[in-house]
Amino acid sequence: KAGVTQTPRYLIKTRGQQVTLSCSPISGHRSVSWYQQTPGQGLQFLFEYFSETQRNKGNFPGRFSGRQFSNSRSEMNVSTLELGDSALYLCASSLGQSSDTQYFGPGTRLTVL
Amino acid sequence: AQRVTQPEKLLSVFKGAPVELKCNYSYSGSPELFWYVQYSRQRLQLLLRHISRESIKGFTADLNKGETSFHLKKPFAQEEDSAMYYCALRNTGGFKTIFGAGTRLFVKA
Repeated sequence: KAGVTQTPRYLIKTRGQQVTLSCSPISGHRSVSWYQQTPGQGLQFLFEYFSETQRNKGNFPGRFSGRQFSNSRSEMNVSTLELGDSALYLCASSLGQSSDTQYFGPGTRLTVL
Repeated sequence: AQRVTQPEKLLSVFKGAPVELKCNYSYSGSPELFWYVQYSRQRLQLLLRHISRESIKGFTADLNKGETSFHLKKPFAQEEDSAMYYCALRNTGGFKTIFGAGTRLFVKA
């Protein structure tokens, strides 16, 4: 089975721009979670989607949004980028129960200049 | 508030020595607790979870609800155990995972 894939792997943007990141889950997985990883704050939960519905979200401003498509692929969008948004963005997929194992992707490294 | 604390940023031990990575949590309920590991240049992956009560790669972790701890232990550390270890909490029936800051384990030859 192919693992979780994320595109692009690296991205450079400037302040004020917006960005869209993509995550393709493992085949058969219906849940996708997104995390932001920074040296200062560590791994922080952004949101989780299941069957195109957001089930939970973390404490991030409204500039961070996401969606999930009918094939379970997910995208997250960050508008009006700030320097502090520079981070590694990870997505993880699972079958969908809270006890199910999450499988992580390689991440997208976003640099905001 | 849900919180996971890993007090040690770096833990260095000699090969063959016992290792214990500490994890304390704050949660008003019955959480699900996990240990994730990230080896050099690899993806973050699940190591073990408290509900399984199993030993993976010689590691075990016991949930102590009284002390709100979920320490990860291995009696004899190996060089290949060198990695970043994250303790994580998930609220029962919930879909939000809270991670600790992580502990880098370095096993010296």
